[in-house]
Amino acid sequence: AQKVTQAQTEISVVEKEDVTLDCVYETRDTTYYLFWYKQPPSGELVFLIRRNSFDEQNEISGRYSWNFQKSTSSFNFTITASQVVDSAVYFCALIPRETSGSRLTFGEGTQLTVNP
Amino acid sequence: ETGVTQSPTHLIKTRGQQVTLRCSSQSGHNTVSWYQQALGQGPQFIFQYYREEENGRGNFPPRFSGLQFPNYSSELNVNALELDDSALYLCASSFGWPPSTDTQYFGPGTRLTVL
Repeated sequence: AQKVTQAQTEISVVEKEDVTLDCVYETRDTTYYLFWYKQPPSGELVFLIRRNSFDEQNEISGRYSWNFQKSTSSFNFTITASQVVDSAVYFCALIPRETSGSRLTFGEGTQLTVNP
Repeated sequence: ETGVTQSPTHLIKTRGQQVTLRCSSQSGHNTVSWYQQALGQGPQFIFQYYREEENGRGNFPPRFSGLQFPNYSSELNVNALELDDSALYLCASSFGWPPSTDTQYFGPGTRLTVL
């Protein structure tokens, strides 16, 4: 079975601070895909990034960056110079290629609050 | 905007009733997945449909059932509602045949309250 753990339930920062959201995953599959989604108060899950298990290069998109480390089974997400609009619940998710097909396994989410 | 729509936005039912939730997938996406998200938790996979056939099911009882139609729309039906069914129900569409690891794009959800 697969599992995603987001140990940080809630994080509160002041605007312009950098913040890192942790994600640790478990799977027996050698091929898998990792995702981050953002859920603002409106409820819709907004796709942020998709990475496969063979690509360990870090990725940067504007103020967002992701650090994938296969050796520690982690896929952490950093927001640089946070803004109030970044306030949301962030979910890390996993699809193992062989064992569960297309079903996403989500972590419990991290509630990020950015204060002005 | 993901192009995935859901209706209704909110719904209130009483225990024992039946409910139908609807989803319209992004055009060209032949796979639809349904998830249940209880308050304060991550979404849980209910089931998935590919070309109108069920392809995979999570740990949900048979009173949760679904349909997918050729026009990229789908339904989630829940019979004999229980209080614990109160949750946000999310549908997600994706492209590709199962087992697909393609990105799933979510709709805004239907918030169901069971009294």
